Amino acid sequence: ETGVTQSPTHLIKTRGQQVTLRCSSQSGHNTVSWYQQALGQGPQFIFQYYREEENGRGNFPPRFSGLQFPNYSSELNVNALELDDSALYLCASSSTDRFATNEKLFFGSGTQLSVL
Amino acid sequence: AQKVTQAQTEISVVEKEDVTLDCVYETRDTTYYLFWYKQPPSGELVFLIRRNSFDEQNEISGRYSWNFQKSTSSFNFTITASQVVDSAVYFCALSGGSSNTGKLIFGQGTTLQVKP
Repeated sequence: ETGVTQSPTHLIKTRGQQVTLRCSSQSGHNTVSWYQQALGQGPQFIFQYYREEENGRGNFPPRFSGLQFPNYSSELNVNALELDDSALYLCASSSTDRFATNEKLFFGSGTQLSVL
Repeated sequence: AQKVTQAQTEISVVEKEDVTLDCVYETRDTTYYLFWYKQPPSGELVFLIRRNSFDEQNEISGRYSWNFQKSTSSFNFTITASQVVDSAVYFCALSGGSSNTGKLIFGQGTTLQVKP
């Protein structure tokens, strides 16, 4: 039990739609990261938020955006959904310094997004 | 560029056998961190171990052990006397460098099946 919860667990959308995925971090964790995991692949880093500001971004287009709130919740928004966006989206939280690279991450169970 | 390679896609063993999961990494950073995570069928990634690039001392934790060799850029993971509950996907991951704040680079994962 990592203390990180994600909702919904499963979601079906059609191409072109917009989606919002939600994450509730462990209390006291100031950092949240989002990862995309395609079937049979390792997770790929989307971005990280530190104290409500973006603090690093992977190779994902601007239609992937996020928000982090003071109450340890966060959102991942994806606009103009494409078929290739179908994946498991994982949220991970940690308590760390802004430029730390050694943090242990606590992951949620993910949201399985299917784009038809 | 940073890269993690887990050449073994799937491994199947019988309970009580020992099993080693291989991980090879590439990085130009002099300071970096290596991780192993376990992903059971429920989806969340569970942290197993973190090792920094200056500490090549091997570690044993119960039935788990890790062999870090900087000379061969490898960070292998061994489970002794495997159990059915060890069945999961195991990921090796790398982080490091000021340009990669918050970013973990994952390998493709090794699916371990332990049969009774």
